[in-house]
Amino acid sequence: EVQLVESGGGLVQPGRSLRLSCAASDFTFDDYAMHWVRQAPGKGLEWVSGISWNSGRIGYADSVQGRFTISRDNAKNSLYLQMNSLRAEDTALYYCAKDMGSGDNRGAFDIWGQGTMVTVSS
Amino acid sequence: EIVLTQSPGTLSLSPGERATLSCRASQSFSSMYLAWYQQKPGQAPRLLIYSASNRATGIPDRFSGSGSGTDFTLTISRLEPEDFAVYYCQQCGSSLRDTFGQGTKLEFK
Repeated sequence: EVQLVESGGGLVQPGRSLRLSCAASDFTFDDYAMHWVRQAPGKGLEWVSGISWNSGRIGYADSVQGRFTISRDNAKNSLYLQMNSLRAEDTALYYCAKDMGSGDNRGAFDIWGQGTMVTVSS
Repeated sequence: EIVLTQSPGTLSLSPGERATLSCRASQSFSSMYLAWYQQKPGQAPRLLIYSASNRATGIPDRFSGSGSGTDFTLTISRLEPEDFAVYYCQQCGSSLRDTFGQGTKLEFK
């Protein structure tokens, strides 16, 4: 079964760091761009960051630029999000999502994980 | 950054009725990069429509998408009880600067 499983969330103090992971299975991971999308409690979806199939292109939302770093390890079928200088407003459920477009093509997000919760609080 | 504005914020309808949801962009972009998602409480979003008008795998044909440029529409022809949820539009352009609309909540009237 095609699947994405996030891990690494938890309670962290403001200013500290956290690293999220996303394990992919049953599809050719290194063919597709991957993304992180977050959802604050009771709020809408916010695209956080995306990375192309070969890590050649990377993008960030303005709200996390300079604090978050996305990366992937195609040999391990894994996606990561390093989150530094965390703020209360980063509190959210973080989803990993697969891009439909293969290679350098972009598309919608056809596969989503169930999310990992990050709570930033003292 | 392309800003997407969805309307209405909440839509109150009954099963069997037709739902029309709007997504308006702050600047024009290719319809290839417009998608619609459905999200139910406690669940991850589910892809409904990609490239503005193509149904994703397993999506019933009562869901349809249309539009171009800056104005896009999701239509649900005859609402089923399981369709009451929150709907989001997304622009997923080649520049890796994606954005989502703020969502439309479709609720029972």
